[in-house]
Amino acid sequence: DAKTTQPNSMESNEEEPVHLPCNHSTISGTDYIHWYRQLPSQGPEYVIHGLTSNVNNRMASLAIAEDRKSSTLILHRATLRDAAVYYCIRRVSNFGNEKLTFGTGTRLTIIP
Amino acid sequence: ETGVTQSPTHLIKTRGQQVTLRCSSQSGHNTVSWYQQALGQGPQFIFQYYREEENGRGNFPPRFSGLQFPNYSSELNVNALELDDSALYLCASYLRGGGQETQYFGPGTRLLVL
Repeated sequence: DAKTTQPNSMESNEEEPVHLPCNHSTISGTDYIHWYRQLPSQGPEYVIHGLTSNVNNRMASLAIAEDRKSSTLILHRATLRDAAVYYCIRRVSNFGNEKLTFGTGTRLTIIP
Repeated sequence: ETGVTQSPTHLIKTRGQQVTLRCSSQSGHNTVSWYQQALGQGPQFIFQYYREEENGRGNFPPRFSGLQFPNYSSELNVNALELDDSALYLCASYLRGGGQETQYFGPGTRLLVL
């Protein structure tokens, strides 16, 4: 399975925007791009997903490149609670089977 | 919280033993997936169950097996445990056909094989 590529770690100051990049150059036309985050000792938590268009929700925004080979998760105003490992994921659908293909993720550190 | 629960939270086994992990799906969800997360890695897809049948499998050997029950709860069974099976095991549920297909994860079971 082709995986996504993310920086291993990033730092950001509290209350500033954070842009988390992801490369998925081999993504197929029907694969959705999902973002999950995982806090210590917890299961992954859904953040946002999209296919082709940019998406916004109460947690974040997702900007998807026109060629779909990359995307960026945007946290508009980072707080200390946003410190987590962020996973950019291909969601592969096959006759109703939905498989999430995780990479190694980006560890986001928020500096007070 | 997602409403997905797993038991036990922690487990210690020895090599060669068998283990059963349990997952209770979020209410209204009919599909459950299992993932293995080794330390410092992202979760890896093991398999998925829908209507009590396996419906998709990752690159895991047959000694990893599962069940889904009529109430949509699920079990993951691992036979002949190996040291490399030490990991966090996650289950995730969603409603197939519900239009969203967003998977909701439980907190996981941490398995240590000695």
